[in-house]
Formats: sequence, structure tokens, C-alpha cells
Amino acid sequence: SQTIHQWPATLVQPVGSPLSLECTVEGTSNPNLYWYRQAAGRGLQLLFYSVGIGQISSEVPQNLSASRPQDRQFILSSKKLLLSDSGFYLCAWGQGINYGYTFGSGTRLTVV
Amino acid sequence: GESVGLHLPTLSVQEGDNSIINCAYSNSASDYFIWYKQESGKGPQFIIDIRSNMDKRQGQRVTVLLNKTVKHLSLQIAATQPGDSAVYFCAENPSGTYKYIFGTGTRLKVLA
Repeated sequence: SQTIHQWPATLVQPVGSPLSLECTVEGTSNPNLYWYRQAAGRGLQLLFYSVGIGQISSEVPQNLSASRPQDRQFILSSKKLLLSDSGFYLCAWGQGINYGYTFGSGTRLTVV
Repeated sequence: GESVGLHLPTLSVQEGDNSIINCAYSNSASDYFIWYKQESGKGPQFIIDIRSNMDKRQGQRVTVLLNKTVKHLSLQIAATQPGDSAVYFCAENPSGTYKYIFGTGTRLKVLA
């Protein structure tokens, strides 16, 4: 069966520090991968998605970047965190069009 | 812009009653819709989906209704239980894309 792993679960980082969040999927090949951010009490904002290795689509201009070095690995990064980067970051995977996502357990990032 | 919105940010229901959560979408090109349930501190979980060639789909205690004429989705939960307390999101998939657009969510509170 397919599983998605996301870590760390929580993270507190100072303003100006770098960020690296990792997401991996097991049990499937060539998944579509997604990074979402959720502000407290708000909806889900799509940040990046990838349909293949090295293919990254950015949805909103921001202080973050994403990479997909391997088929089932998706990384969210920042060189210098801002206070506004705080939030709940969710990785998800899907297979094709018109199929739902499966979400990871999320990373709660607090920038102080 | 295109968006998915919800009519009620918070819904309180008595345990055992039926719940109805509503959602409006604005992209007439969307042909696939999903309802997700998100418990506090966790990633969203798939509940039920519906394709645009259907008006109704039933699962275990849940029913999704789709009215394409007015671009409206609803999620009905029968005999609501305390474990149903969560935030519910509808999401739309514009035809031919790999992306889902999420609304801001409705918090369902089940009263004992």
C-alpha cells in the first residue's frame, strides 16, 4: 500500500534561518507531488506541485522553493525564513487527473 | 479569480442529528470534487468524491450532492457523532489540471 511520510512534525526556527522540509512517498511510482500551506484556522494554499523529477510548478510568488531530486521525494526549502512563513505545511501525493490526494501528517512551522 | 468557498464557517449540531455542509465553487470547468475532513493538527483525509457526470454519491453515513446549475456542493452526514467533529473542506479539480482548489473550510462541532 502507498504511504506518505513528512517530517519533522514541528519546527521552531528563527527569522533569517534556512528551512528544509522533506516528503517521501512509498508504494507508488511517478506520483504527482504537492506542497500546501495552511495558516491557522484557514484553508489550504497550494505552493508547489510536481508531475515528475525536476519538474516544479510554483503557484504563488514567495520566499520558498521546492525541489524533486528523486521520483518519490519532494523538498520544500527557504534560504531565509520570514515571520510570515509560519504555518502548517502539508505534503500530498496524487496519481493522475481526477484522482484525489493523500496528505501527509503535516509540519507545523513557527518562525520566531 | 477562481475559488471554492463555503457558506458557513462553523456548524454546530446535536449528536445524532444530520449535518449538512455546503460549498460553492466558481470554476465551471471543474469536473471532479472531493470532500476532506481535517482533525486538529492532522492532515486532511479523503471522505468522498464525485465526478461532474453525477448528481449524488453515497458512502457510509455520508452523501455528496452536486448541483452543476448553481455550482453547489453539499456534504450530508447522517447521525452525526462526536468523532465527526473536524474541519471539512471541499475541493475542486479544474478539468485537465493536476491541481485542486480548496475552500476555507467549515468547522463542524458536535454537541453531546
